[in-house]
Amino acid sequence: DGGITQSPKYLFRKEGQNVTLSCEQNLNHDAMYWYRQDPGQGLRLIYYSQIVNDFQKGDIAEGYSVSREKKESFPLTVTSAQKNPTAFYLCASSVYGTGGLEQYFGPGTRLTVT
Amino acid sequence: ELKVEQNPLFLSMQEGKNYTIYCNYSTTSDRLYWYRQDPGKSLESLFVLLSNGAVKQEGRLMASLDTKARLSTLHITAAVHDLSATYFCAVDRGGAQKLVFGQGTRLTINP
Repeated sequence: DGGITQSPKYLFRKEGQNVTLSCEQNLNHDAMYWYRQDPGQGLRLIYYSQIVNDFQKGDIAEGYSVSREKKESFPLTVTSAQKNPTAFYLCASSVYGTGGLEQYFGPGTRLTVT
Repeated sequence: ELKVEQNPLFLSMQEGKNYTIYCNYSTTSDRLYWYRQDPGKSLESLFVLLSNGAVKQEGRLMASLDTKARLSTLHITAAVHDLSATYFCAVDRGGAQKLVFGQGTRLTINP
């Protein structure tokens, strides 16, 4: 089955620790994204990557870092510089088809920092 | 800067009733997307609207796009409890395959 996997589903960390969220896709999509969702809010773009070894900041990149060494993988590191890291994190990948931008989402990782 | 606004943000309705969710956006775009999110879950694609006047229907949901008014609507007909979820619209920012999402409309359908 093609799709996007994120791990872990739930993650708990102490304040001041860096944490890395995993995102893997086997859809052969070039573009991948990280979004943050806070309770009762929409999605905000953290980082995106259109091709291997290249990525751009989204709207709320401060306190986050990413890498894109392989087409299938786009891990997100939440650093200790992120002031309010507790949130639901969604990874996505996309391709432009005849039906417009087809964006597929992973199941999400819920990060709690105390 | 592209902004996307939905209203209402919260909607509680009875089964069997009809209602409409509105999605306004601030700059020209011909591509608009609707997603559904169940509590604690990821987003599921519902509709892709690619041109002015586009209308898509699936079951009790119908989405339309008016690019001149920069408005999309998601109409719910004879609501049933299973449609309870949060609905997001998103607009294609163009160029770099980026979407801008609305705040979401939390829909609760009561028996």
